Amino acid sequence: LAKTTQPISMDSYEGQEVNITCSHNNIATNDYITWYQQFPSQGPRFIIQGYKTKVTNEVASLFIPADRKSSTLSLPRVSLSDTAVYYCLVGGPIGGSYIPTFGRGTSLIVHP
Amino acid sequence: ETGVTQTPRHLVMGMTNKKSLKCEQHLGHNAMYWYKQSAKKPLELMFVYSLEERVENNSVPSRFSPECPNSSHLFLHLHTLQPEDSALYLCASSQEMRRGTEAFFGQGTRLTVV
Repeated sequence: LAKTTQPISMDSYEGQEVNITCSHNNIATNDYITWYQQFPSQGPRFIIQGYKTKVTNEVASLFIPADRKSSTLSLPRVSLSDTAVYYCLVGGPIGGSYIPTFGRGTSLIVHP
Repeated sequence: ETGVTQTPRHLVMGMTNKKSLKCEQHLGHNAMYWYKQSAKKPLELMFVYSLEERVENNSVPSRFSPECPNSSHLFLHLHTLQPEDSALYLCASSQEMRRGTEAFFGQGTRLTVV
């Protein structure tokens, strides 16, 4: 199971772009990189997923360098409602199956 | 709304009580999960079911007993819990258990053991 490392916390201000980087040095060849967002007292919510290069959707962008040993979640122009914990997950099979396994995540606080 | 519904949303129970948490999904998924999230801790995987068969049990105490009667429903039966079992219990489902599969989570049940 690939281990991920993320900053424990980050602070930003409304309107700024936020980049959260995740390290996953032992990512396997066919592992995907998935990011989830969690608000207090709610279940995590899928944000974006990628395998290589860049992926963009209506919420965020995900940048993955060629060696895939890290990835960066980019949130454009954050607002107060983006205050949440962001988790980086890398696929890892258990008995041949993939089970979403969460680390501590990055607690993002957006200030007015 | 994620398509995964958990009931109740909040539960207070005594250490001698027996209660059950319910999770329901109508997304057509065939894998379902129970996670526990204690205050300021990461999500801990408790149980995994795939096609109604338990495939993972992360050394969870026997006072937690899961049940998956069909692919749409998942229960967590609780008995003689301890105060340290107070936590947010989250249910999730996914289409199948392979890399790249997105997990859909319910809103959780906030459990307080008194």
